[in-house]
Amino acid sequence: AAGVIQSPRHLIKEKRETATLKCYPIPRHDTVYWYQQGPGQDPQFLISFYEKMQSDKGSIPDRFSAQQFSDYHSELNMSSLELGDSALYFCASSSPFRLADPDHEQYFGPGTRLTVT
Amino acid sequence: GQQLNQSPQSMFIQEGEDVSMNCTSSSIFNTWLWYKQDPGEGPVLLIALYKAGELTSNGRLTAQFGITRKDSFLNISASIPSDVGIYFCAGLKTTSGTYKYIFGTGTRLKVLA
Repeated sequence: AAGVIQSPRHLIKEKRETATLKCYPIPRHDTVYWYQQGPGQDPQFLISFYEKMQSDKGSIPDRFSAQQFSDYHSELNMSSLELGDSALYFCASSSPFRLADPDHEQYFGPGTRLTVT
Repeated sequence: GQQLNQSPQSMFIQEGEDVSMNCTSSSIFNTWLWYKQDPGEGPVLLIALYKAGELTSNGRLTAQFGITRKDSFLNISASIPSDVGIYFCAGLKTTSGTYKYIFGTGTRLKVLA
């Protein structure tokens, strides 16, 4: 079965540079979530999109922005990178939420490892 | 941000032993998910629970949705070396049509052959 695709898988940037991470959700999934995971940490929620609109916002720095496009893929844009931004960045997707069918599961991509030097 | 209390934080067990871990919260959740994460990889969904009291199995894994909807348990029977990894619980909260997943702090499992 198709899974969540993330690119690139690895990225090395210098301080103050910018980075763009891409996420392609599972087909027919309309919701995308972004998480940041530091070493030894659990995934920290950054932001989510539902039907191309921002649906929730977590601990995303102002230097970061994201959007979801008409084909439901999403991009996380990171500017003025800092050493502390080095982490694994995961995208996850889920199927449309229906009140009548509350069963809901979230599937993660393989992640992008960002290293800021 | 809000987190679920997951315990134990880490476990060292012998191959063949059974493993139990749990997540607790002061809040009610509509869905509980259990994930396993290998180093440098994305979390992989193991089991999803949708109803209070529900008990679901997936091979050697068994998980339960607590009757109060504030906790969940994961059991692994007859552990094998490839069970090593980090196990996360996640609770789903739905509010006015929006939904948010809250993650536990993880249980790091090491299996000694």
